[in-house]
Amino acid sequence: AQSVTQLGSHVSVSEGALVLLRCNYSSSVPPYLFWYVQYPNQGLQLLLKYTTGATLVKGINGFEAEFKKSETSFHLTKPSAHMSDAAEYFCAVTNMEYGNKLVFGAGTILRVKS
Amino acid sequence: DGGITQSPKYLFRKEGQNVTLSCEQNLNHDAMYWYRQDPGQGLRLIYYSQIVNDFQKGDIAEGYSVSREKKESFPLTVTSAQKNPTAFYLCASSSGASGNSYEQYFGPGTRLTVT
Repeated sequence: AQSVTQLGSHVSVSEGALVLLRCNYSSSVPPYLFWYVQYPNQGLQLLLKYTTGATLVKGINGFEAEFKKSETSFHLTKPSAHMSDAAEYFCAVTNMEYGNKLVFGAGTILRVKS
Repeated sequence: DGGITQSPKYLFRKEGQNVTLSCEQNLNHDAMYWYRQDPGQGLRLIYYSQIVNDFQKGDIAEGYSVSREKKESFPLTVTSAQKNPTAFYLCASSSGASGNSYEQYFGPGTRLTVT
């Protein structure tokens, strides 16, 4: 079975500070991993994804994530937070056996303080 | 302009009434999905369809029904049997088995309130 754990339902950072959102996954076979962002009352937008190849993945809006198999982690980072980054972020996992169904974490709400 | 549309954005219904949420995509995707979102619970899969005229139950299908008569459309009916229907409903699509990519693309959502 697959599962995703996002540590911290709420994260608060100052504008210009490092953003680190944590995601740990469980998958019996090599995973495909995703980060999505959701602004209030909107749908989800794909930030970045890992399928195969390079373990450091760059996405939109300056975000990146690193797949660490030994730690079963896929943490999302951004060097310098901007006010517009305030949103809810979801980590998701699937694999070849699970087909196209994604399993989502519970989400982390990011607050950016001025 | 390709994408997924959901209508309406906000929907209000009285308890005991069935209601149908619309989802249309023009991405030529084979697979479509319905999720329910409640605060602090992430997204939970209601139903999904990998091909026209076929669909499968997700994790929380009770009280919901779907149809997939056309590739671009995947309507969701919330029936009176759903005990707590008030939620934000999201539709998504992906290239499915015909593609090598597993990411899903989401519509803007419908917020359903039942009183």
